[in-house]
This record gives sequence, C-alpha cells and structure tokens, in this order.
Amino acid sequence: EIVLTQSPGTLSLSPGERADLSCRASQSVISSYLAWYQRKPGQAPRLLIYGASSRATGIPDRFSGRGSGTDFTLTISRLEPEDSAVYYCQQYGSSPQTFGQGTKLEIK
Amino acid sequence: EVQLLESGGGLVQPGGSLRLSCAASGFIFTSYSMTWVRQAPGKGLEWVSSISGSGGATYYADSVKGRFTVSRDPSKKTMYLQMTSLSAEDTAVYHCAKTPHPRILGGTDYFDYWGQGTLVTVSS
Repeated sequence: EIVLTQSPGTLSLSPGERADLSCRASQSVISSYLAWYQRKPGQAPRLLIYGASSRATGIPDRFSGRGSGTDFTLTISRLEPEDSAVYYCQQYGSSPQTFGQGTKLEIK
Repeated sequence: EVQLLESGGGLVQPGGSLRLSCAASGFIFTSYSMTWVRQAPGKGLEWVSSISGSGGATYYADSVKGRFTVSRDPSKKTMYLQMTSLSAEDTAVYHCAKTPHPRILGGTDYFDYWGQGTLVTVSS
C-alpha cells in the first residue's frame, strides 16, 4: 500500500502568514488522486482539496493544492485564527486508499 | 444540507460484536457510495469499508475483512457496519463519510462529507 508522509508534524505560524504543508507518497499517486482534509477538535473532517488541486465547494481560495507523482503541497495563504487544525492528505488512486499521519497547524 | 450521524458505539468486550449506524440526510441516498473510516487513539485515519450507492459492491480493508460487514438500507437512508470478533486494535472513533460518486472502483474515492464519529472501545 502507498504510505503518505506528511511534514512538518507541527507548524506554528502567525495570522497573515503562509503555510506550506507537504505530503510525500511512497509510490506515485495515480492520476493525482490526492485529497486534503481539515479536522478541528470535536468536528467532522472537512474536504478542502481533491484531485491534488481542485477546491471543494465553499472552500476559500486561500487554500490551494499542487503537486503530482509523489510530492504534493497544501498551501494556506493569509492564515486566519480559524485555520488552526490538523490537516490530513489522502491518496485514493490505489487500493487501499491511505491517509497521512497529519500536520498540526497552530496559529499563534 | 448534508448530514451524517453515527450511532451505536460503546464499550464491548474482546471477541464481542457491535453494529454501527450512519443516518444520512440532505442528499439522494442511493446515488452515492458511502464509507467507514476510523481513527484509533493517537493514530491516523484508516479506511475500513466502502459500499456502492446501490449496495451491490462492498469493499473492506484487510484488517477487517471477514469480521466486518457493511450494508445500507435505502428505506431508512442508513448505512450499517456490523463488527464481530472485536479486539483492542479495533478501538477507535468510527466515522461514516459520503463519496461524490455512485460507484467507486476498488473501493477508493475521496469523501466530500463526514460525520463526527462514534467511539468504539474494546476492553475487558
């Protein structure tokens, strides 16, 4: 199965800054079938990005995704306090679909 | 508004059984595949099982194959996960999630809506 490694484990930034979250796959992700989710404590995960770069419905354009093959990045520009959460990547191009271990983003 | 509400979690002894439910609303239930994803304490997300919109195709992670059964009842707009032969390794919050497609190849897809989850604890 494809192992997804997210880095950094924790990221601490200030409002207005930009966050770059990395997701590296142990094998090439077929058709860039990679998604990103945001998870806040006590809430259901929320889909942010699918197909590596397509924003889900209602997601602000501050969130963007890029990448292909084995290297993917979620960028959050102009950070806001409510962006504090754990972010997970998921590959769904190969069975079984797998998730990264998450990056915790803290807003100072 | 799409809503997914899980129920049925609780404390169960090793070797025991439990049935989880996921009540769906806000979308045409039979038009979309559904999935169970779990998160063990301190661990990452793990895909468990998926079922097509018609219910005709089901998929399982190797870790639960032969022990868990996924099903869905269109009349109740509810998906189920019957879990048997439970062990401590099955302790987790179980989320149901909706995919944006009626059929999923090999059980893989992304998830556009999730429920908050129900906690299953396997312990004596």
